[in-house]
Amino acid sequence: DTEVTQTPKHLVMGMTNKKSLKCEQHMGHRAMYWYKQKAKKPPELMFVYSYEKLSINESVPSRFSPECPNSSLLNLHLHALQPEDSALYLCASRLGETQYFGPGTRLLVL
Amino acid sequence: QKEVEQNSGPLSVPEGAIASLNCTYSDRVSQSFFWYRQYSGKSPELIMSIYSNGDKEDGRFTAQLNKASQYVSLLIRDSQPSDSATYLCAVNIRSNFGNEKLTFGTGTRLTIIP
Repeated sequence: DTEVTQTPKHLVMGMTNKKSLKCEQHMGHRAMYWYKQKAKKPPELMFVYSYEKLSINESVPSRFSPECPNSSLLNLHLHALQPEDSALYLCASRLGETQYFGPGTRLLVL
Repeated sequence: QKEVEQNSGPLSVPEGAIASLNCTYSDRVSQSFFWYRQYSGKSPELIMSIYSNGDKEDGRFTAQLNKASQYVSLLIRDSQPSDSATYLCAVNIRSNFGNEKLTFGTGTRLTIIP
């Protein structure tokens, strides 16, 4: 089983809103990732958590705030986003060398 | 030079034919190579992983790796309309800080013509 789940599937938010994206995996994978993907572009790495510690932050603006409360759960807190932040947000977890992606959250910022 | 390069296509292949997708990468020490399939509006789905030189077959899919030429390819035999998607080549590349990042090519859009 290589299932990664993400909620919500779709999210519409205003530029003053605060919202959170959630990602879960129950496969015991110890590395989890957030990616952002714009239309017709490849996924772009945002954050990496390894053993529940933030190991990579790809110079992401502070309006995106990741959190890893435990080894199964990864959150991405969103605040004061801009319309250009509208994208598909993907979570992934890693087993060995291989990353498995969740279904994504389609975010629209108005 | 981009770290992972793919021809963006579109690549059109008749149903039942072989589709050939190619990818080159810049980091000579990379050891892990992946092909993901992504349907429009969906997330990437792992199709194949390959770590050693040569061919690796899984059903209608064959991945080929040549580390000396820094080249990895994906062959899809007996192409079906359901194979129409964007195929992302991905390579684990070590950064200057020692971390490994999964680095994607821009993707090749494949269309299978019935």
